[in-house]
Amino acid sequence: GAGVSQTPSNKVTEKGKYVELRCDPISGHTALYWYRQSLGQGPEFLIYFQGTGAADDSGLPNDRFFAVRPEGSVSTLKIQRTERGDSAVYLCASSQVGPQFFGPGTRLTVL
Amino acid sequence: SQQGEEDPQALSIQEGENATMNCSYKTSINNLQWYRQNSGRGLVHLILIRSNEREKHSGRLRVTLDTSKKSSSLLITASRAADTASYFCATTPPNNNDMRFGAGTRLTVKP
Repeated sequence: GAGVSQTPSNKVTEKGKYVELRCDPISGHTALYWYRQSLGQGPEFLIYFQGTGAADDSGLPNDRFFAVRPEGSVSTLKIQRTERGDSAVYLCASSQVGPQFFGPGTRLTVL
Repeated sequence: SQQGEEDPQALSIQEGENATMNCSYKTSINNLQWYRQNSGRGLVHLILIRSNEREKHSGRLRVTLDTSKKSSSLLITASRAADTASYFCATTPPNNNDMRFGAGTRLTVKP
């Protein structure tokens, strides 16, 4: 595609619910990244995929967070038992060589 | 965790003036990148400077890197109202592709 796309653009859920956030990277980009950005802060690294495997998941805050990229293209970030503190904009980026290109993000609100 | 720190946190200037933003970081890097974010979503890549480079230009943008001081600066010349945005530096360590962002500088250019 022309750019990184993320769905949904907004997600409102209740505390304790499960959510899935989707990222479609730029076609041909082997690297895919997830970040979380809270208001007034810079993006915080969560996880990085090279192909289908998670090359670095050290940024995932706890075991409620999980991400997959089964075919090396689309990725899904999964959050179990959501908490109010999970509210943030979740950003996805992809790259081949050089800079990362970001999607518009998913704004997650946990009530 | 975040790596870089931008300075100042906020900057307000008149159209036509130059804007300088600084970034300091803590550990060794492979490269440093500057991004712009207009509305709390969608980061736009501006420029990448590698650890063996000292200065790069792109249009009205000039980036410097001093690895001995672990610092970088972004200069926007002849600023425009459309340059109003948050600007983030992001560093990539030598051995992986993880990117760590600072908290950003909020630039306001008054017409």
